[in-house]
Amino acid sequence: ELKVEQNPLFLSMQEGKNYTIYCNYSTTSDRLYWYRQDPGKSLESLFVLLSNGAVKQEGRLMASLDTKARLSTLHITAAVHDLSATYFCAVDDNYDMRFGAGTRLTVKP
Amino acid sequence: DAGITQSPRHKVTETGTPVTLRCHQTENHRYMYWYRQDPGHGLRLIHYSYGVKDTDKGEVSDGYSVSRSKTEDFLLTLESATSSQTSVYFCAISEGQATFYGYTFGSGTRLTVV
Repeated sequence: ELKVEQNPLFLSMQEGKNYTIYCNYSTTSDRLYWYRQDPGKSLESLFVLLSNGAVKQEGRLMASLDTKARLSTLHITAAVHDLSATYFCAVDDNYDMRFGAGTRLTVKP
Repeated sequence: DAGITQSPRHKVTETGTPVTLRCHQTENHRYMYWYRQDPGHGLRLIHYSYGVKDTDKGEVSDGYSVSRSKTEDFLLTLESATSSQTSVYFCAISEGQATFYGYTFGSGTRLTVV
């Protein structure tokens, strides 16, 4: 059974700092997705990673995929308050996109 | 979100009553999904559809049924609601099975079973 594990589950960081969220998964899938969810809102697609070594960047967020290690990372550079949200990774497993439990990020002044 | 709407947005129902949630899309996407979101579990797939009248079970399908009689509508029914089905339900759509764009999610339905 496919398992997707994120860590940390809770992350409190100061503005201007850097940090990384990790997503480990148990299948050989090479399709991994990152989503953002604001409180009480729907999920917004951030990144789609479709091959080993894929790297995508958008503003202060950068996502990468290592299919051999079955690991994806979401790196936050110089965090700002607007990045406060819950971030989910998800792995495509043949009709079933399996989600991690989510990382609740709080960026403080 | 534009192109996908869920109804109702909020519902409170009593234990043992049937409940139907609706997902409507205007994108003509083939694939539609129902997920539930619970704290500590992320999102878990309940049922999905890969075409009109073509549906299959997901990870947590017990107690739920679905129907898709038209491309644009995917209905989720709780046959006899229980308190464990209190959750936020999200519908999602995608163009293809191996999507290059991820899923597009609806705004969610918050269901409370009392």
